[in-house]
Amino acid sequence: QKEVEQNSGPLSVPEGAIASLNCTYSDRVSQSFFWYRQYSGKSPELIMSIYSNGDKEDGRFTAQLNKASQYVSLLIRDSQPSDSATYLCAVNLSGNQFYFGTGTSLTVIP
Amino acid sequence: DADVTQTPRNRITKTGKRIMLECSQTKGHDRMYWYRQDPGLGLRLIYYSFDVKDINKGEISDGYSVSRQAQAKFSLSLESAIPNQTALYFCATSDRQGSYGYTFGSGTRLTVV
Repeated sequence: QKEVEQNSGPLSVPEGAIASLNCTYSDRVSQSFFWYRQYSGKSPELIMSIYSNGDKEDGRFTAQLNKASQYVSLLIRDSQPSDSATYLCAVNLSGNQFYFGTGTSLTVIP
Repeated sequence: DADVTQTPRNRITKTGKRIMLECSQTKGHDRMYWYRQDPGLGLRLIYYSFDVKDINKGEISDGYSVSRQAQAKFSLSLESAIPNQTALYFCATSDRQGSYGYTFGSGTRLTVV
């Protein structure tokens, strides 16, 4: 079992809709959680971090963490074509090493 | 200037050649990492270094070596390049706790022909 799992997609949503991206992780002692956005051929860019259960909002982005169920999600409200990218979930295990999911490809259709 | 700088940005090399990818950072982070990314496989860890004297193998270190020349510099070498090492390579840094995530360099696209 991989440490971090994401649906690879592709996920397609119309412009203005909510995109929902999900990630599950295997290690219960995981401490911090991150969402990265990666455009094709570019480096991953950190867009959200979350450390405690519940929701964290930043602009159009909301990260949700449920440690009991071992999942973290990212909601993108009012999706724009510029949000079309691959979204990587990353989990920091005990402050030592990050594990990345393989990413979910999102396409926002104008 | 970028916080994490990788050179070269693109490189085409021949099978059997030795090649070095370089990474330097101005973040002041102790920890540095080398990843490769292939379509459908995500980011895979090659080597990581928690400080100048602490270097560790990642999940796919065979065929690669690294050198941590200073806190700010971490280079990756392919001793004898082979075509299946064609990939996008990223250097990343983090602080000791990793609480703020990784900072990635802009990547090196390596093609081995």
